Amino acid sequence: DIGMTQTPLSLSVTPGQPASISCRSRQSLLHTDGKTYLYWYFQKPGQSPQPLIYEVSKRFSGVPERFSGSGSGRDFTLEISRVEAEDVGIYYCMQSVDVPWTFGQGTKVEVK
Amino acid sequence: QVQLQESGPGLVRPLQTLSLACTVSPGFISTPDYYWSWIRHLPGKGLQFIAYISHSGNTYYNPSLKSRLSISVDTSKNQFSLDLRSVTAADTAVYYCAREDCTSGTCSHFDLWGLGTLVTVSS
Repeated sequence: DIGMTQTPLSLSVTPGQPASISCRSRQSLLHTDGKTYLYWYFQKPGQSPQPLIYEVSKRFSGVPERFSGSGSGRDFTLEISRVEAEDVGIYYCMQSVDVPWTFGQGTKVEVK
Repeated sequence: QVQLQESGPGLVRPLQTLSLACTVSPGFISTPDYYWSWIRHLPGKGLQFIAYISHSGNTYYNPSLKSRLSISVDTSKNQFSLDLRSVTAADTAVYYCAREDCTSGTCSHFDLWGLGTLVTVSS
C-alpha cells in the first residue's frame, strides 16, 4: 500500500487568514499516463467526505476559488487563501495511482 | 440526482458476519462509467478502502481484508452489498458506500458517498 502522511493533524485558524496542509506519499503518484493521481477531500461535521481537488491542482465544480492545490511527485499541499467558518471540518488527501487507494490520516481544521 | 444509502445492523457480535447493503437511486447502478465501493472510517485511524464491484461483477478487495470479504451486486434491486466475516472490535467503524468515477476510462476517485452507518462489534 502507498502510505500517505498529512501534516499537521490539526489546525486552528483565524477567519480571513490562510491555511496550509501538507501531504506526502511513500512513492510517486505520477502515473504512466502522465497524470498525478492525488485528490483532496473535505468532510464537514456530520457529513460524508466530498471531493475538493483532483489531479493535484484542479478544483471540482462548485469548489470556491480560495481552495488551491499544488505539488508533484510525492509532496503536495492544499491551501485555503482565506479561511471561512464553513471550512471547519477534516481534510483528507487520497492517492489513486495504485490499488488499494489510500488516504492520509486527515487534518482537522478549526476556526478561532 | 444519484443518492446512495447504507443499511444494516448497528451492532454485530464478535466472530459473526457484518452484512451491509447500499441502495443506489433507481436507474444508476447499471453503467460501466462507475464502480461501487465500500470504505470505512476506523476510529483514530482514518479512512480505509475496503472493496469495489462493477455492475457486471468485476471485483477488487483490499488485500488486508480479502480473506474475510465478499462483495456482490444486484442490479434488479439497485443494490450492492458487503459481507465481512469473523469480525472483531477492530472492525468497529463508520462504513460508507461510495461511487468510483471511471468516466475518463480510468477509475480515479470517489465522487459520491453515502451518509455512512456506524457498526459496532461488541458482545
